[in-house]
Amino acid sequence: NAGVTQTPKFQVLKTGQSMTLQCAQDMNHNSMYWYRQDPGMGLRLIYYSASEGTTDKGEVPNGYNVSRLNKREFSLRLESAAPSQTSVYFCASSEGIARYEQYFGPGTRLTVT
Amino acid sequence: QQQVKQSPQSLIVQKGGISIINCAYENTAFDYFPWYQQFPGKGPALLIAIRPDVSEKKEGRFTISFNKSAKQFSLHIMDSQPGDSATYFCAASPGLSNYQLIWGAGTKLIIKP
Repeated sequence: NAGVTQTPKFQVLKTGQSMTLQCAQDMNHNSMYWYRQDPGMGLRLIYYSASEGTTDKGEVPNGYNVSRLNKREFSLRLESAAPSQTSVYFCASSEGIARYEQYFGPGTRLTVT
Repeated sequence: QQQVKQSPQSLIVQKGGISIINCAYENTAFDYFPWYQQFPGKGPALLIAIRPDVSEKKEGRFTISFNKSAKQFSLHIMDSQPGDSATYFCAASPGLSNYQLIWGAGTKLIIKP
């Protein structure tokens, strides 16, 4: 039981390049989330998927797109990376009812130069 | 605007002492108040959570105290140990109609041996 897995662990992009961050969970959770974490700013929600087939914007969605591929997988895409997107990205999942109990992946550290 | 204000930003405590982190909120419609613990290089993990109809919840050395009238809640770590050194986040869950946890900015706790 791996929980929430994320790939890659580290990535360096040049401004304007695109990439997709992958996330998968094996807990059969309905809801999945993408956060970014910047020093002194805590966790900010980018997008979330309440259930398979639905996605919604969070607090900071600009510059990102998401795909809920199936119940297990939720990917985050940066179409044209910018230095302001340098951050640590976390994927999380939760069971629908206990929404406050979120399980986080190990994170992806992204640097955009 | 829904907010959770967390203080202090950083905290140094001697081994064996009591660590106290405080949070204040504005919205009265929150249904759960969780605390997360994050070690360097890892994703946050749920530590303990409390409902607003409970004044205190204890799990081992960790206690949440909740003051509904003051709209404040706090995390107390008794007999603090070097292994407790981590960043702690408080959060608030807006309830069944909203999937977005409202996060505090985090407190970096250092326990000195």
